[in-house]
Amino acid sequence: SYELTQPPSVSVSPGQTASITCSGDKLGDKYACWYQQKPGQSPVLVIYQDNKRPPGIPERLSGSNSGNTATLTISGTQAMDEADYYCQAWDSSTVIFGGGTKLTVL
Amino acid sequence: QVQLVQSGSELKKPGASVKVSCKASGYTFTTYTMNWVRQAPGQGLEWMGWINTNTGNPTYAQGFTGRFVFSLDTSVSTAYLQISSLKAEDTAVYYCARMAGLAAAGVWFDPWGQGTLVTVSS
Repeated sequence: SYELTQPPSVSVSPGQTASITCSGDKLGDKYACWYQQKPGQSPVLVIYQDNKRPPGIPERLSGSNSGNTATLTISGTQAMDEADYYCQAWDSSTVIFGGGTKLTVL
Repeated sequence: QVQLVQSGSELKKPGASVKVSCKASGYTFTTYTMNWVRQAPGQGLEWMGWINTNTGNPTYAQGFTGRFVFSLDTSVSTAYLQISSLKAEDTAVYYCARMAGLAAAGVWFDPWGQGTLVTVSS
């Protein structure tokens, strides 16, 4: 079965750029999306179709997808960006989630 | 605005059943597939499957067959998740989520319900 792999944790200093990766076999041939989940809250869609932002999502969040890796990039990271981030893709009529990455803003 | 509102937390004993509801508003209910996602305490997201809100046909992910049932009441724009023969390992937050997109162009979930905590304990 298809798997998506994310690093368990990423740390970043305020104002710096954070990159969270999501790896899967030929992931670039599929579409990836990303969710942000803060403690005690539901996941929120932040990127869909690799690089599109839903209304209300800040421009400093961006996405890319090529080869075997999709990447969520957060520029000018703020304390409010501290959260768990999950990638998700679609394969063989199945929804696949990555294991999640905890972003810590130090 | 588009919103999914779920029923409240449940505390059940092992072997019992539970039914979680997810009421949609702000859009035509039968236009979008409704999905269910489980999140065990301190764990990640796990896709349980979906129900076609137009036909009522459910699709269950691996590991969610047998004790899990998706259903609808389109007259009140509500989807349901029923879990029978509850086990301690079913303790989790259960989310409903509206699926958007087409398979060929990717699918994504937006919005999500607020989640329903189901606790199974004797």
